[in-house]
Amino acid sequence: DVKVTQSSRYLVKRTGEKVFLECVQDMDHENMFWYRQDPGLGLRLIYFSYDVKMKEKGDIPEGYSVSREKKERFSLILESASTNQTSMYLCASSPALGRMPNEQFFGPGTRLTVL
Amino acid sequence: GNSVTQMEGPVTLSEEAFLTINCTYTATGYPSLFWYVQYPGEGLQLLLKATKADDKGSNKGFEATYRKETTSFHLEKGSVQVSDSAVYFCALSVLNRDDKIIFGKGTRLHILP
Repeated sequence: DVKVTQSSRYLVKRTGEKVFLECVQDMDHENMFWYRQDPGLGLRLIYFSYDVKMKEKGDIPEGYSVSREKKERFSLILESASTNQTSMYLCASSPALGRMPNEQFFGPGTRLTVL
Repeated sequence: GNSVTQMEGPVTLSEEAFLTINCTYTATGYPSLFWYVQYPGEGLQLLLKATKADDKGSNKGFEATYRKETTSFHLEKGSVQVSDSAVYFCALSVLNRDDKIIFGKGTRLHILP
């Protein structure tokens, strides 16, 4: 059974802390994505990666960075957490460009609360 | 640009009612279309998909037909169950350099017993 796993289901951090959210996929997918999900706003893309050590900004990259040192792992980093980063964070993966129909597979999500 | 518009929720129905959740899209090129479902406390999972005009995607009693002439991909189910309560996302993908999927904002569905 294919799987995308995220390191925590629930996380509580304090303002100013550095936060790491980890995502691992076992499908040998080239593409990986980080979204945040907020009520009324749907899913918004933060960053994505086509390959190891490659990253691209999504729609809302401010306040976030990412790291992809290995193909199966994609980390989201909040350098200095703020209360407006309280949200549900979803990781996804998909096979490489050109492989129709480009379905994404999602992890269970991490609900982050910043106090 | 590419975009997806779906009906706002929440949608509340009684068990065994007929369900329609409307979805329309704007896209350059020839998109693939998807419906994803998110059950409480979980991530998104693919419900069904269609890759070209007039294709019908189906799964778990849900259906959606890719209508190019009306740029629509409405989700339907003939008889809903309490277990169908979830958030449903319409989405599209156009193969290009970045492989992104464009999601609608989601429609929350409540089914009453």
